Amino acid sequence: QVQLQESGPGLVKPSGTLSLTCGVSGGSIVTTAWWSWVRQPPGQGLEWIGEIWDNEKTNYKASLKSRLTISIDTTKNHFSLNLYSVTAADTAVYYCARVMVAQGYNWFDSWGPGTLVTVSS
Amino acid sequence: EIVLTQSPGTLSLSPGERATLSCRASQSVSAPSLAWFQQKPGQAPRLLIYGVSNRATGIPDRFSGSGSGTDFTLTISRLEPEDFAVYYCHQYSSSRTFGQGTKVEIK
Repeated sequence: QVQLQESGPGLVKPSGTLSLTCGVSGGSIVTTAWWSWVRQPPGQGLEWIGEIWDNEKTNYKASLKSRLTISIDTTKNHFSLNLYSVTAADTAVYYCARVMVAQGYNWFDSWGPGTLVTVSS
Repeated sequence: EIVLTQSPGTLSLSPGERATLSCRASQSVSAPSLAWFQQKPGQAPRLLIYGVSNRATGIPDRFSGSGSGTDFTLTISRLEPEDFAVYYCHQYSSSRTFGQGTKVEIK
Protein backbone atom coordinates (compact mmCIF):
# COMPACT_ATOMS: atom_id res chain seq x y z
CA GLN A 1 0.00 0.00 0.00
CA VAL A 2 1.44 3.35 -1.02
CA GLN A 3 2.13 5.83 1.76
CA LEU A 4 2.26 9.60 1.48
CA GLN A 5 3.92 12.08 3.82
CA GLU A 6 3.77 15.87 3.69
CA SER A 7 6.78 17.91 4.77
CA GLY A 8 7.60 21.60 4.95
CA PRO A 9 7.53 24.66 7.22
CA GLY A 10 4.66 24.94 9.65
CA LEU A 11 4.83 28.72 9.74
CA VAL A 12 4.93 31.11 6.77
CA LYS A 13 4.95 34.89 6.86
CA PRO A 14 2.22 36.87 5.09
CA SER A 15 3.11 37.65 1.46
CA GLY A 16 5.60 34.78 1.53
CA THR A 17 5.56 31.42 -0.24
CA LEU A 18 4.08 28.26 1.20
CA SER A 19 6.15 25.28 0.03
CA LEU A 20 5.31 21.66 0.76
CA THR A 21 6.57 18.34 -0.54
CA CYS A 22 4.76 15.03 -0.54
CA GLY A 23 6.99 11.99 -0.38
CA VAL A 24 5.60 8.78 -1.86
CA SER A 25 6.75 5.40 -0.56
CA GLY A 26 5.68 1.83 -1.18
CA GLY A 27 5.01 2.48 -4.85
CA SER A 28 6.11 4.50 -7.85
CA ILE A 29 4.88 7.99 -8.52
CA VAL A 30 4.88 6.98 -12.21
CA THR A 31 1.47 5.35 -12.43
CA THR A 32 -2.07 5.98 -13.67
CA ALA A 33 -2.89 8.50 -11.01
CA TRP A 34 -3.26 12.16 -10.28
CA TRP A 35 -1.19 13.44 -7.36
CA SER A 36 -3.34 15.93 -5.57
CA TRP A 37 -3.33 18.61 -2.87
CA VAL A 38 -6.34 19.29 -0.62
CA ARG A 39 -6.49 21.73 2.27
CA GLN A 40 -8.75 22.25 5.28
CA PRO A 41 -8.82 25.51 7.25
CA PRO A 42 -9.21 24.95 11.00
CA GLY A 43 -12.76 23.88 11.81
CA GLN A 44 -13.86 24.08 8.17
CA GLY A 45 -14.41 21.79 5.20
CA LEU A 46 -12.18 20.36 2.49
CA GLU A 47 -10.91 22.44 -0.43
CA TRP A 48 -9.26 20.88 -3.48
CA ILE A 49 -6.21 22.88 -4.58
CA GLY A 50 -4.78 21.11 -7.61
CA GLU A 51 -3.17 18.00 -9.02
CA ILE A 52 -0.41 16.74 -11.29
CA TRP A 53 0.14 13.70 -13.49
CA ASP A 54 3.58 12.09 -13.86
CA ASN A 55 4.00 13.75 -17.28
CA GLU A 56 3.67 17.11 -15.48
CA LYS A 57 0.19 17.89 -16.74
CA THR A 58 -1.57 19.94 -14.07
CA ASN A 59 -5.07 20.97 -13.06
CA TYR A 60 -5.54 23.85 -10.63
CA LYS A 61 -8.46 25.31 -8.73
CA ALA A 62 -9.39 28.36 -10.76
CA SER A 63 -9.34 30.84 -7.89
CA LEU A 64 -5.81 29.79 -6.87
CA LYS A 65 -4.28 29.36 -10.30
CA SER A 66 -2.48 32.70 -10.37
CA ARG A 67 -0.65 31.91 -7.09
CA LEU A 68 -0.05 28.20 -7.47
CA THR A 69 2.55 25.84 -8.87
CA ILE A 70 2.50 22.06 -8.46
CA SER A 71 5.52 20.11 -9.66
CA ILE A 72 6.68 16.51 -9.68
CA ASP A 73 10.08 14.83 -9.44
CA THR A 74 9.85 11.24 -10.62
CA THR A 75 13.50 10.57 -9.73
CA LYS A 76 12.83 11.41 -6.08
CA ASN A 77 9.32 9.98 -6.05
CA HIS A 78 7.77 13.14 -4.70
CA PHE A 79 5.61 16.05 -5.75
CA SER A 80 5.47 19.60 -4.44
CA LEU A 81 3.20 22.56 -3.86
CA ASN A 82 4.18 26.21 -3.99
CA LEU A 83 1.55 28.79 -3.07
CA TYR A 84 2.68 32.38 -3.45
CA SER A 85 1.67 35.65 -1.79
CA VAL A 86 -0.04 33.89 1.10
CA THR A 87 -2.39 35.50 3.59
CA ALA A 88 -4.00 34.32 6.83
CA ALA A 89 -6.77 32.81 4.71
CA ASP A 90 -4.26 30.21 3.50
CA THR A 91 -3.83 28.85 7.03
CA ALA A 92 -4.95 25.23 6.88
CA VAL A 93 -4.06 21.59 7.22
CA TYR A 94 -2.63 20.61 3.86
CA TYR A 95 -3.09 17.04 2.65
CA CYS A 96 -1.46 15.31 -0.27
CA ALA A 97 -3.32 12.42 -1.85
CA ARG A 98 -3.25 9.93 -4.70
CA VAL A 99 -6.20 9.79 -7.09
CA MET A 100 -6.22 6.51 -8.99
CA VAL A 101 -7.70 6.49 -12.49
CA ALA A 102 -9.14 3.38 -14.11
CA GLN A 103 -12.08 2.25 -16.20
CA GLY A 104 -13.62 5.70 -16.35
CA TYR A 105 -13.50 6.15 -12.59
CA ASN A 106 -11.14 8.03 -10.38
CA TRP A 107 -10.87 7.80 -6.63
CA PHE A 108 -8.77 9.16 -3.75
CA ASP A 109 -7.27 5.94 -2.42
CA SER A 110 -4.35 7.20 -0.31
CA TRP A 111 -3.84 10.28 1.79
CA GLY A 112 -0.99 11.74 3.80
CA PRO A 113 -1.67 12.48 7.48
CA GLY A 114 -1.78 16.22 6.76
CA THR A 115 0.38 19.09 7.95
CA LEU A 116 -0.77 22.33 9.53
CA VAL A 117 0.58 25.46 7.91
CA THR A 118 -0.03 28.74 9.69
CA VAL A 119 0.37 32.07 7.94
CA SER A 120 1.39 34.65 10.53
CA SER A 121 4.04 37.23 11.17
CA GLU B 1 -17.28 25.78 -10.57
CA ILE B 2 -19.84 23.23 -9.49
CA VAL B 3 -21.05 24.04 -5.98
CA LEU B 4 -22.12 21.09 -3.84
CA THR B 5 -24.62 21.79 -1.06
CA GLN B 6 -24.98 19.14 1.62
CA SER B 7 -27.95 18.76 3.93
CA PRO B 8 -28.61 18.66 6.73
CA GLY B 9 -25.65 20.40 8.31
CA THR B 10 -25.94 18.19 11.37
CA LEU B 11 -27.80 14.91 11.79
CA SER B 12 -28.49 13.74 15.35
CA LEU B 13 -29.23 10.03 15.48
CA SER B 14 -28.85 7.01 17.74
CA PRO B 15 -26.81 3.89 17.01
CA GLY B 16 -28.85 1.45 14.97
CA GLU B 17 -30.80 4.18 13.19
CA ARG B 18 -30.70 4.90 9.47
CA ALA B 19 -28.86 7.99 8.22
CA THR B 20 -29.71 9.70 4.94
CA LEU B 21 -27.34 12.43 3.76
CA SER B 22 -28.05 14.63 0.76
CA CYS B 23 -25.70 16.31 -1.70
CA ARG B 24 -27.12 18.69 -4.30
CA ALA B 25 -25.04 20.08 -7.17
CA SER B 26 -25.44 23.52 -8.75
CA GLN B 27 -25.29 21.88 -12.17
CA SER B 28 -25.51 18.36 -13.45
CA VAL B 29 -22.69 16.03 -12.46
CA SER B 30 -21.89 13.52 -15.15
CA ALA B 31 -21.78 9.92 -14.05
CA PRO B 32 -19.67 8.44 -12.59
CA SER B 33 -18.15 11.54 -11.00
CA LEU B 34 -19.46 11.68 -7.45
CA ALA B 35 -17.78 10.34 -4.33
CA TRP B 36 -18.33 10.36 -0.57
CA PHE B 37 -15.75 10.64 2.23
CA GLN B 38 -15.85 10.18 5.99
CA GLN B 39 -13.61 12.25 8.24
CA LYS B 40 -12.99 11.91 11.95
CA PRO B 41 -11.26 14.55 14.09
CA GLY B 42 -7.53 14.76 13.50
CA GLN B 43 -7.64 12.28 10.63
CA ALA B 44 -7.40 12.47 6.87
CA PRO B 45 -10.59 11.84 4.93
CA ARG B 46 -11.42 8.24 4.11
CA LEU B 47 -13.03 7.27 0.83
CA LEU B 48 -16.37 5.49 1.24
CA ILE B 49 -18.03 5.63 -2.18
CA TYR B 50 -16.80 6.49 -5.68
CA GLY B 51 -18.59 6.55 -9.01
CA VAL B 52 -21.88 7.41 -7.19
CA SER B 53 -22.50 3.91 -5.84
CA ASN B 54 -19.29 1.86 -5.68
CA ARG B 55 -18.02 1.06 -2.22
CA ALA B 56 -14.29 1.53 -1.74
CA THR B 57 -12.15 -1.36 -0.56
CA GLY B 58 -12.99 -2.45 2.97
CA ILE B 59 -16.11 -0.31 3.32
CA PRO B 60 -18.99 -2.23 4.95
CA ASP B 61 -22.20 -2.76 3.03
CA ARG B 62 -24.24 -0.62 5.42
CA PHE B 63 -22.88 2.32 3.39
CA SER B 64 -24.55 2.91 0.04
CA GLY B 65 -24.63 5.72 -2.50
CA SER B 66 -27.20 6.65 -5.09
CA GLY B 67 -28.38 9.48 -7.29
CA SER B 68 -27.86 11.16 -10.62
CA GLY B 69 -27.80 14.57 -12.24
CA THR B 70 -27.83 17.09 -9.42
CA ASP B 71 -29.12 15.00 -6.49
CA PHE B 72 -27.10 12.39 -4.66
CA THR B 73 -27.57 10.48 -1.43
CA LEU B 74 -25.37 8.60 1.01
CA THR B 75 -27.27 6.14 3.18
CA ILE B 76 -25.97 4.40 6.28
CA SER B 77 -28.47 1.63 6.92
CA ARG B 78 -27.75 1.09 10.62
CA LEU B 79 -25.40 3.42 12.42
CA GLU B 80 -22.53 1.85 14.29
CA PRO B 81 -20.66 3.81 17.02
CA GLU B 82 -17.69 4.30 14.67
CA ASP B 83 -19.89 5.96 12.02
CA PHE B 84 -20.34 9.20 13.95
CA ALA B 85 -18.19 11.60 11.94
CA VAL B 86 -18.33 14.28 9.24
CA TYR B 87 -19.22 13.24 5.70
CA TYR B 88 -18.29 15.07 2.52
CA CYS B 89 -19.46 14.63 -1.03
CA HIS B 90 -17.02 15.36 -3.87
CA GLN B 91 -17.55 15.84 -7.60
CA TYR B 92 -15.00 15.43 -10.33
CA SER B 93 -17.23 16.02 -13.34
CA SER B 94 -15.87 19.54 -13.81
CA SER B 95 -12.64 20.28 -12.00
CA ARG B 96 -13.03 19.09 -8.39
CA THR B 97 -15.10 20.46 -5.52
CA PHE B 98 -16.27 19.25 -2.12
CA GLY B 99 -19.48 19.86 -0.28
CA GLN B 100 -19.34 21.69 3.04
CA GLY B 101 -19.97 18.52 5.04
CA THR B 102 -22.67 16.88 7.16
CA LYS B 103 -21.88 16.03 10.76
CA VAL B 104 -23.50 12.85 12.03
CA GLU B 105 -23.61 13.10 15.82
CA ILE B 106 -24.89 10.87 18.59
CA LYS B 107 -28.33 11.83 19.80
